[in-house]
Amino acid sequence: AQSVAQPEDQVNVAEGNPLTVKCTYSVSGNPYLFWYVQYPNRGLQFLLKYITGDNLVKGSYGFEAEFNKSQTSFHLKKPSALVSDSALYFCAVRDNYGGATNKLIFGTGTLLAVQP
Amino acid sequence: DADVTQTPRNRITKTGKRIMLECSQTKGHDRMYWYRQDPGLGLRLIYYSFDVKDINKGEISDGYSVSRQAQAKFSLSLESAIPNQTALYFCATSPTGRHEQFFGPGTRLTVL
Repeated sequence: AQSVAQPEDQVNVAEGNPLTVKCTYSVSGNPYLFWYVQYPNRGLQFLLKYITGDNLVKGSYGFEAEFNKSQTSFHLKKPSALVSDSALYFCAVRDNYGGATNKLIFGTGTLLAVQP
Repeated sequence: DADVTQTPRNRITKTGKRIMLECSQTKGHDRMYWYRQDPGLGLRLIYYSFDVKDINKGEISDGYSVSRQAQAKFSLSLESAIPNQTALYFCATSPTGRHEQFFGPGTRLTVL
């Protein structure tokens, strides 16, 4: 079965420190991977995606993600965390069983808390 | 994303009532989706539509129905609401040929 796992319910980091939010996936065929962020009382906002090409993908707000095929991972990273980065982060993978449906399978989310 | 709007933003209703949640978009995207979000479960797909004549069930469609009135409008109905349908509901859109989805602000539904 296709799935996405975010093993950490919450990640705590001090402002200015690097942050990593973990994601692993299981999918048939080539993975199309995404990260979204959800601020309180807001909808999900697209951060970045990996479709093909360079394993290091750069996205919005200084975030980047590293695709690792051998480890089936797509971890979200940022060199220096800001308090304003505190939010709920979702990893998602395209459902490849559906053909060109663009259906996404979401992880359960990781709450990032950045302390001043 | 202001280009995807949802009404109402909050709704409290009683068991057995019929409820309609509405989604409108000005992005011109063909594809529209309805999800529900529950704590610890992430987002789960309820229904999706690729154009006005195309409606497809997602993984948790039981108890829900949808209507795609126009390219820009996609409504979700709960024919007879029950308490375990209490959740945050999101509409999303996606343009054909691209993979990312764009989400509305959500509707918080409480069924008493």
